[in-house]
Amino acid sequence: EAQVTQNPRYLITVTGKKLTVTCSQNMNHEYMSWYRQDPGLGLRQIYYSMNVEVTDKGDVPEGYKVSRKEKRNFPLILESPSPNQTSLYFCASSDRPIRDTEAFFGQGTRLTVV
Amino acid sequence: RKEVEQDPGPFNVPEGATVAFNCTYSNSASQSFFWYRQDCRKEPKLLMSVYSSGNEDGRFTAQLNRASQYISLLIRDSKLSDSATYLCVVNRPTSGTYKYIFGTGTRLKVLA
Repeated sequence: EAQVTQNPRYLITVTGKKLTVTCSQNMNHEYMSWYRQDPGLGLRQIYYSMNVEVTDKGDVPEGYKVSRKEKRNFPLILESPSPNQTSLYFCASSDRPIRDTEAFFGQGTRLTVV
Repeated sequence: RKEVEQDPGPFNVPEGATVAFNCTYSNSASQSFFWYRQDCRKEPKLLMSVYSSGNEDGRFTAQLNRASQYISLLIRDSKLSDSATYLCVVNRPTSGTYKYIFGTGTRLKVLA
């Protein structure tokens, strides 16, 4: 089954404790991205990757890091989480070019930073 | 002003009603257009792409007006299962690739 898998689904952590949210897709997609979704703000792109070892900042990259060492995996790293990073996070993947193609989303990770 | 604007709703409609959602976008470089559906606390899923000629998929009809930079979604004969948030999405070129820009969504509740 074609899918994007994120882990964990739910996470409560404390300020400053490094964490990683994993994302894996089995569709051989080149393009992957991370979004955060907050009430009234919609989905905002954090980082994206057009291929292995190629990553770039989205609209709200501060406080986040990513890596793309393999095509299927695109982890999101919060080196020192803060309460303003409490949000619902989605990983997405699509074929390239993404102009007319569907984006497939993971099930989401609900992160709370206290 | 947001690049993609939607009425947040909620739209509360009875079963069987016809409901229309509108969306406007501000960047004329936008190339493709979509409606995604998002159930509560779940991931967005593609409902349909939107073309200038208009397109229909069962009870759903989407329209695009490039001149007015306006997108619409019409749902006929609403079902309880249509209750969800509908995201208007545009795709535009940026830095050698394309980027999805999401509206904040319109919430629909279909009542029995």
